Amino acid sequence: GENVEQHPSTLSVQEGDSAVIKCTYSDSASNYFPWYKQELGKRPQLIIDIRSNVGEKKDQRIAVTLNKTAKHFSLHITETQPEDSAVYFCAASRSNDYKLSFGAGTTVTVRA
Amino acid sequence: ETGVTQSPTHLIKTRGQQVTLRCSSQSGHNTVSWYQQALGQGPQFIFQYYREEENGRGNFPPRFSGLQFPNYSSELNVNALELDDSALYLCASRLGTGMSYEQYFGPGTRLTVT
Repeated sequence: GENVEQHPSTLSVQEGDSAVIKCTYSDSASNYFPWYKQELGKRPQLIIDIRSNVGEKKDQRIAVTLNKTAKHFSLHITETQPEDSAVYFCAASRSNDYKLSFGAGTTVTVRA
Repeated sequence: ETGVTQSPTHLIKTRGQQVTLRCSSQSGHNTVSWYQQALGQGPQFIFQYYREEENGRGNFPPRFSGLQFPNYSSELNVNALELDDSALYLCASRLGTGMSYEQYFGPGTRLTVT
């Protein structure tokens, strides 16, 4: 089955700096890669996703890049703000079963 | 908010007991998946239902079972509870067409097994 690895496990950044989280996946048939943000005690919230037919997608301060050859994808958050503090999860799935395989998560702390 | 609701919010059970968790999908979503999230870990896929049929299962034993109803609400049943079943149980709904990949999570049910 799919195995998704996520790094780093924790990330502390100064407010205004950028944060980058990286994930690798093992199943070359995976073609959908969402990112979820989970605040303490709350549900995972879909913040951005990318499909395998594009290499990059951006939504305001958040961007995701995908390298299918290397089987890795990354989340970039620019101009970080205190409200960006949360646990971020990457995930991967195939379009024919939609089962999401998650990484272990990255705890992001934005220091004011 | 996603429109996906779950009940109850919290639940405490004793080892060996049985539990039923409930999920109401977002309007129009006919596919629901259930995930188990242990403390400090990412969610793990349990199974998925599409139009009342199970159509995918993760590495969970048969004592984890589910149902989906005609109104697309669903249940997760766990028999013979074990201490390791203590976790946050999340359901996620999706519009079951080939053009829609996004899954939207409910707030979860926190299950504690003592």
